[in-house]
Amino acid sequence: SQQGEEDPQALSIQEGENATMNCSYKTSINNLQWYRQNSGRGLVHLILIRSNEREKHSGRLRVTLDTSKKSSSLLITASRAADTASYFCATDRTNDMRFGAGTRLTVKP
Amino acid sequence: NAGVTQTPKFQVLKTGQSMTLQCAQDMNHEYMSWYRQDPGMGLRLIHYSVGAGITDQGEVPNGYNVSRSTTEDFPLRLLSAAPSQTSVYFCASRAGTYTDTQYFGPGTRLTVL
Repeated sequence: SQQGEEDPQALSIQEGENATMNCSYKTSINNLQWYRQNSGRGLVHLILIRSNEREKHSGRLRVTLDTSKKSSSLLITASRAADTASYFCATDRTNDMRFGAGTRLTVKP
Repeated sequence: NAGVTQTPKFQVLKTGQSMTLQCAQDMNHEYMSWYRQDPGMGLRLIHYSVGAGITDQGEVPNGYNVSRSTTEDFPLRLLSAAPSQTSVYFCASRAGTYTDTQYFGPGTRLTVL
């Protein structure tokens, strides 16, 4: 069974707007990671947040983690058309990584 | 570095046929894994390896075999292909622990008729 569940399943915004995607999971984790996948391509690692961290930034990306609620969010600020992709959260327990079904983000120019 | 490479990119099989999906990495990573991605399902872990000679099952291992004779290579074997194995298969590697970034190959799109 999948561990992470992203919400929403699809998101459409205008260029320049912010995009927020959420991820909920069910069991304890060591870390949570966010990946991007362009259509027909492999996954690209975006950011990793450890279970003892609450917030992390990388460029236009901001990730939060609330282990008490078993949830995480990914914020992309000042979105660009090139950010159009599917975004996945993945929870990591030792060597067993579980992915959610993803959020499909469309950024309109 | 080439990173993680996979061959072939596309493959069509008939039910009952067997084949091997190849995966190689040139980053000297200890950990390698295989995932399948079905529409609307995200990625599911098939098998993984924490080093040469060591493999273990993931979430959906049935119908697949793996071996890890070298650090670089981690082939996935389909023993007797079934239509339910139609999917996109991704290989990934990372240096070691779960705190390391995982790198994905470009994928193999497999169709079983």
